Amino acid sequence: GENVEQHPSTLSVQEGDSAVIKCTYSDSASNYFPWYKQELGKRPQLIIDIRSNVGEKKDQRIAVTLNKTAKHFSLHITETQPEDSAVYFCAASKGAGSYQLTFGKGTKLSVIP
Amino acid sequence: EAGVAQSPRYKIIEKRQSVAFWCNPISGHATLYWYQQILGQGPKLLIQFQNNGVVDDSQLPKDRFSAERLKGVDSTLKIQPAKLEDSAVYLCASSSTWGADGYTFGSGTRLTVV
Repeated sequence: GENVEQHPSTLSVQEGDSAVIKCTYSDSASNYFPWYKQELGKRPQLIIDIRSNVGEKKDQRIAVTLNKTAKHFSLHITETQPEDSAVYFCAASKGAGSYQLTFGKGTKLSVIP
Repeated sequence: EAGVAQSPRYKIIEKRQSVAFWCNPISGHATLYWYQQILGQGPKLLIQFQNNGVVDDSQLPKDRFSAERLKGVDSTLKIQPAKLEDSAVYLCASSSTWGADGYTFGSGTRLTVV
């Protein structure tokens, strides 16, 4: 089955700096890659996603890049703010009407004011 | 649009007891998922329903876990008997049949087995 590795497990940045979280996946059939943000005690919230026919997608301060050949994708957050502090999860899915997600283990991002 | 509803929010039980969780997906969402999230880990899929049929339950520990979605709407996940390692947050999610415009997760049920 699919295996998703996520790095780093913890990340501390100064407010205003950029943060990058990287994930690799094992199943070349995976074609949908969402990123979720989870604040303490709350539900995971989708923040951005990308499909395999796209190499990059951007939404304001958040961007995701995908390298299908290398089977890795990354989340980039620019101009970080204290409210960006949370645990971020990457995930992968084969789509095709199923969309079962295999999650990484998460990255705890701390933005220091 | 109402979100995915789950209850209870918290549950504490002793090992070997039974427990049940309930989920009501977003109206019109045919696909429903149950995930288990152990502290410090990402969610892990337990079971996926399409309407009232099971699509995948390969990671469901069937000796103790069961789930149903009898009328293709709300769903119940049961654990009997519970073990200490079942302590986790149980998340329900739903999506429309073909669109994956993000799952919508419920707030989850935090289970503590003592």
